[in-house]
Amino acid sequence: GEDVEQSLFLSVREGDSSVINCTYTDSSSTYLYWYKQEPGAGLQLLTYIFSNMDMKQDQRLTVLLNKKDKHLSLRIADTQTGDSAIYFCAEKTGGNNRLAFGKGNQVVVIP
Amino acid sequence: DAGVIQSPRHEVTEMGQEVTLRCKPISGHDYLFWYRQTMMRGLELLIYFNNNVPIDDSGMPEDRFSAKMPNASFSTLKIQPSEPRDSAVYFCASTQGPNTQYFGPGTRLTVL
Repeated sequence: GEDVEQSLFLSVREGDSSVINCTYTDSSSTYLYWYKQEPGAGLQLLTYIFSNMDMKQDQRLTVLLNKKDKHLSLRIADTQTGDSAIYFCAEKTGGNNRLAFGKGNQVVVIP
Repeated sequence: DAGVIQSPRHEVTEMGQEVTLRCKPISGHDYLFWYRQTMMRGLELLIYFNNNVPIDDSGMPEDRFSAKMPNASFSTLKIQPSEPRDSAVYFCASTQGPNTQYFGPGTRLTVL
């Protein structure tokens, strides 16, 4: 079945790197996503990775996927105050358009 | 495109009243999802539609909840009667085929 776990809270100083982790249970997941939710707003897609990839880099964002351990991480380089938000990882299994979301990880950037 | 549109953005009602939440998906998207977000339970999928047909409503908590999609550009989520434990933020999302889901801004529902 689908079950996505995330830790809850992270504080980081502006300019430092931040790493958010996520574990999932469904080994047949085809896509894994990172969404960002700012206060009072909906979820915004940040990036995604296909399950046959180990890493994806997109400007300040680096996604690492360890399929063996079913572990996904998001690294934000040079964290900015605008990065303060809740970050959700989500998995999508093949042939099914549903996404299973983690509970989110709140990131607070300290100036 | 304006993105996924939801209304109202905020709704405050009294226990027992009927509540109707509305969603307009992105034009051309053939999948529509309704989610509920609370602190305790995180983001839960309630129901989703494909080409206006409900595909999976196993996440709908009770018979008090119902959702319709009369056409490709409009969907409603209704709660009747509402209860305080229904207080949450309700999101609508849409996608074209098996691609990225785009979320609306949400409706914050408070049931007193």
